[in-house]
Amino acid sequence: GNSVTQMEGPVTLSEEAFLTINCTYTATGYPSLFWYVQYPGEGLQLLLKATKADDKGSNKGFEATYRKETTSFHLEKGSVQVSDSAVYFCALSDADTGNQFYFGTGTSLTVIP
Amino acid sequence: NAGVTQTPKFQVLKTGQSMTLQCAQDMNHEYMSWYRQDPGMGLRLIHYSVGAGITDQGEVPNGYNVSRSTTEDFPLRLLSAAPSQTSVYFCASMWIGAETQYFGPGTRLLVL
Repeated sequence: GNSVTQMEGPVTLSEEAFLTINCTYTATGYPSLFWYVQYPGEGLQLLLKATKADDKGSNKGFEATYRKETTSFHLEKGSVQVSDSAVYFCALSDADTGNQFYFGTGTSLTVIP
Repeated sequence: NAGVTQTPKFQVLKTGQSMTLQCAQDMNHEYMSWYRQDPGMGLRLIHYSVGAGITDQGEVPNGYNVSRSTTEDFPLRLLSAAPSQTSVYFCASMWIGAETQYFGPGTRLLVL
């Protein structure tokens, strides 16, 4: 079946620190991979996505590379800001069940000045 | 465009009561879905629809009903609320094939 496993939080970093949030997946087909972000009190927003192996998604200084060999899609940012404090969700949609999304449990990030 | 809207923002129910969570989108998206978000569980798909008149079950459909009479609206019905349905509910929509879901702001439901 399809599933997403992501690094447990919470994660607390100082401003300008390097961020990595690990995400691995299991899929029966050839999934598209996503990172969504949820700011306090809001719904989820798409942060970035990658649709095939070796693709790199990027947005707002965040990056993630689709690694088929390790079934991973780790989220990275070189220098975090206080405004990046949020919950980050890794997700996949499988081409075979393209109408269904599978989300990880979310990783809470707090950035302190 | 308003995007995806949900009402109410917050609701308290007693066990056994019924209610409908409303969801509407003005982007003409074919696909709409309902998720529940619980601590440590992430988002779990309840029901989804790929167009008017078409609905299907997700991962956790028990206790919930949906219908899709128009492209814009996708209400979620709780026929007899239970404390286990205390959660935050999110509606989302997208164009099929675009793979980018747009989420509403959520409805926080407390069942006593």
